[in-house]
Amino acid sequence: SQTIHQWPATLVQPVGSPLSLECTVEGTSNPNLYWYRQAAGRGLQLLFYSVGIGQISSEVPQNLSASRPQDRQFILSSKKLLLSDSGFYLCAWSPGTERYEQYFGPGTRLTVT
Amino acid sequence: AQSVAQPEDQVNVAEGNPLTVKCTYSVSGNPYLFWYVQYPNRGLQFLLKYITGDNLVKGSYGFEAEFNKSQTSFHLKKPSALVSDSALYFCAVRDGITSSNTGKLIFGQGTTLQVKP
Repeated sequence: SQTIHQWPATLVQPVGSPLSLECTVEGTSNPNLYWYRQAAGRGLQLLFYSVGIGQISSEVPQNLSASRPQDRQFILSSKKLLLSDSGFYLCAWSPGTERYEQYFGPGTRLTVT
Repeated sequence: AQSVAQPEDQVNVAEGNPLTVKCTYSVSGNPYLFWYVQYPNRGLQFLLKYITGDNLVKGSYGFEAEFNKSQTSFHLKKPSALVSDSALYFCAVRDGITSSNTGKLIFGQGTTLQVKP
């Protein structure tokens, strides 16, 4: 069966510090991968998605970036965090066709102070 | 453009009563529709989906949803609510034209379900 992991679970970082969040998927190959941010427990904002290694599409211009160095690894980064980067970050994967749902990881709670 | 609307921020139901969480959508092609549930500080859990076939779809934890093409709706239902159903519910859509390669979903803003004992 497939499993998706995210770490860390929680993170408190000062403004201006770098960020690296990691997401890995087990039990599947060539998944589509997604990064979302959820603010204040409400709607989801799609940040990045990837359909293959090294292929990253950005949905929202911001000071975040994403990379996919391996087939089942998706990393969200920032060089300098802003207060507005605080939120709940969710990684998700799907088998890559339109008929399939996305499966979400447990999330990372980021607080920028 | 694709869009999803969940017109109610919150739905309150007494335990044992039926519940409905509303969702309407707009897509340019055939819709693929999904419902997710989120408990506090957790990731989203998949409940059910409509791809094709029967308009009434059954999913996890006793939930079901009815696809209505003429009303462009996909309301989530449960015959008898439990206190443990209290959570945040998201409706999502993708169409088979613009998202066929990316698998991108468009999510509604979410509806908080409160089930009172």
